[in-house]
Amino acid sequence: SQTIHQWPATLVQPVGSPLSLECTVEGTSNPNLYWYRQAAGRGLQLLFYSVGIGQISSEVPQNLSASRPQDRQFILSSKKLLLSDSGFYLCAWSIKRGYRTDTQYFGPGTRLTVL
Amino acid sequence: QKEVEQNSGPLSVPEGAIASLNCTYSDRGSQSFFWYRQYSGKSPELIMFIYSNGDKEDGRFTAQLNKASQYVSLLIRDSQPSDSATYLCAVTAGGTSYGKLTFGQGTILTVHP
Repeated sequence: SQTIHQWPATLVQPVGSPLSLECTVEGTSNPNLYWYRQAAGRGLQLLFYSVGIGQISSEVPQNLSASRPQDRQFILSSKKLLLSDSGFYLCAWSIKRGYRTDTQYFGPGTRLTVL
Repeated sequence: QKEVEQNSGPLSVPEGAIASLNCTYSDRGSQSFFWYRQYSGKSPELIMFIYSNGDKEDGRFTAQLNKASQYVSLLIRDSQPSDSATYLCAVTAGGTSYGKLTFGQGTILTVHP
């Protein structure tokens, strides 16, 4: 069966500090991978998605970046955090079926507070 | 801009009643529709997906899709206090979407004993 991991679970960072959040998927190969952010009391906003190693598409221009150095590893980064970067960061994966959308499964999330 | 709209609630129903959650979407090219449940402080978990017009039942849950009206709903029969959560509607982007979903803001459901 497939499992998705995220770490850390919680993070408190000062404004202007760097960020690195990691997501790994087990039990599947060549998945689509996604990063979402959920601000308090809000819906999910898609930040990045990846269909393969080194292939990253950005949905929202901001001071965040993403990388996929390995097939089942997805990393979200920032060089300098802003207060508005606070939120619940969720990684998700789906089976690749060409253009058809398949179900996305979410990791446990990382709660980031920027002070 | 492609949008997914849900009533934010809170929707309050008594235990044992039917809870009805609604969602409308703007992209006529959308082909796949999902309902997720999210408990406070936790990540979303899939409840159901539906691709075709009509009803799809899974246990106490029924998803209903009407593409002509761009409307999808979720019915929860025999609601339990453990069903109290935020319910997220998600819709695919039309065309070459590579699995991208657009989420609604979510409806908060409270089931009281």
